[in-house]
Amino acid sequence: GQQLNQSPQSMFIQEGEDVSMNCTSSSIFNTWLWYKQDPGEGPVLLIALYKAGELTSNGRLTAQFGITRKDSFLNISASIPSDVGIYFCAGRKGGSEKLVFGKGTKLTVNP
Amino acid sequence: DTGVSQDPRHKITKRGQNVTFRCDPISEHNRLYWYRQTLGQGPEFLTYFQNEAQLEKSRLLSDRFSAERPKGSFSTLEIQRTEQGDSAMYLCASSTRTGAAYEQYFGPGTRLTVT
Repeated sequence: GQQLNQSPQSMFIQEGEDVSMNCTSSSIFNTWLWYKQDPGEGPVLLIALYKAGELTSNGRLTAQFGITRKDSFLNISASIPSDVGIYFCAGRKGGSEKLVFGKGTKLTVNP
Repeated sequence: DTGVSQDPRHKITKRGQNVTFRCDPISEHNRLYWYRQTLGQGPEFLTYFQNEAQLEKSRLLSDRFSAERPKGSFSTLEIQRTEQGDSAMYLCASSTRTGAAYEQYFGPGTRLTVT
């Protein structure tokens, strides 16, 4: 099935560093979402974006809805050990409830 | 409110057996979704209910898969004649598409292993 292109696949960073990851698609989405998943658990919603160009923050997390509506970016500032996990982007097209997910970015934070 | 719950959390079955999973959404969430997630991949959409009506189905939902939500509350996902390729995490999510629950909230998943 269709999946979004998410990069990087994995990141290894030191505590306190900033992190950037992105998600691209060949088609337009009306909504972009970012989820975090811990091992053995379901994804947890972090940020939702509804408008092209929109920039939204949730604590140390900031995400942007790309102008072309074909991409989105997530930044994490001043990373801490509990940021470890897999971050997924997801998109939703108009008229559908279906979320299309990327393959995830696995984040490791070294204390 | 304790969130979306799924039962069982783990299921090991032999190829050819039938299995059934249950999902209890957050109370008053009228929309319920099923996804499947294999190792190293993001979740893939299977189906969606609004109240008791099944409104959207993926081509991934083969004839061996059936989902129900008879009273518009909990839902079940049944897989008949399981195959090794069915081994995956099955995730349920719910929403109201209004207010704070506008987006999908996921449960912890049921991990299926077919031997």
